[in-house]
Amino acid sequence: SAVISQKPSRDICQRGTSLTIQCQVDSQVTMMFWYRQQPGQSLTLIATANQGSEATYESGFVIDKFPISRPNLTFSTLTVSNMSPEDSSIYLCSVAGLLAGVTGELFFGEGSRLTVL
Amino acid sequence: QQQVKQSPQSLIVQKGGISIINCAYENTAFDYFPWYQQFPGKGPALLIAIRPDVSEKKEGRFTISFNKSAKQFSLHIMDSQPGDSATYFCAASRRQLTFGSGTQLTVLP
Repeated sequence: SAVISQKPSRDICQRGTSLTIQCQVDSQVTMMFWYRQQPGQSLTLIATANQGSEATYESGFVIDKFPISRPNLTFSTLTVSNMSPEDSSIYLCSVAGLLAGVTGELFFGEGSRLTVL
Repeated sequence: QQQVKQSPQSLIVQKGGISIINCAYENTAFDYFPWYQQFPGKGPALLIAIRPDVSEKKEGRFTISFNKSAKQFSLHIMDSQPGDSATYFCAASRRQLTFGSGTQLTVLP
């Protein structure tokens, strides 16, 4: 298993501002993902953070709104840009487990709960 | 289009009872079916998982039943305890994980 630390754990932000969430893993991992979980809802994949290259975004998510960095195999950041109240969600960092060929075994951080006023 | 449908949305069970959560999928290419457990304020944690070549997997009080022909799978929690109260997500994977909508389980003492 992997230990994943996210910062901040929660924040209250003003409309129009941007916030960067950090994700630190205690070991080197190949695959790192960012998910969004709206209140009382399921998890939606925002993007796959690729080390040394641009992130791969899912349908409905764009780099201008959710820029992602992945400078090495243990760290990534997600920025939520020009926030609106609709961006109020829990943002979760996750990494893939070590089972070869298994992409469904994920370890999650505790999440960053953002409230946009 | 939702690829993994989960029911019920919420479930209340008495302590010692059996909790059953059901999921159905559409994509026959899925090859891994995990269940995640999420407590309030925490990230989801992998609970148990099954591959489609197996019809049942049991780990302690948790059992996954898998019906490939019906494209359905379910989680059974035997002897449910108040500490099992959490949100449970089924999921299916083929290079990428797709989550169900979640079931909020409450086990009454």
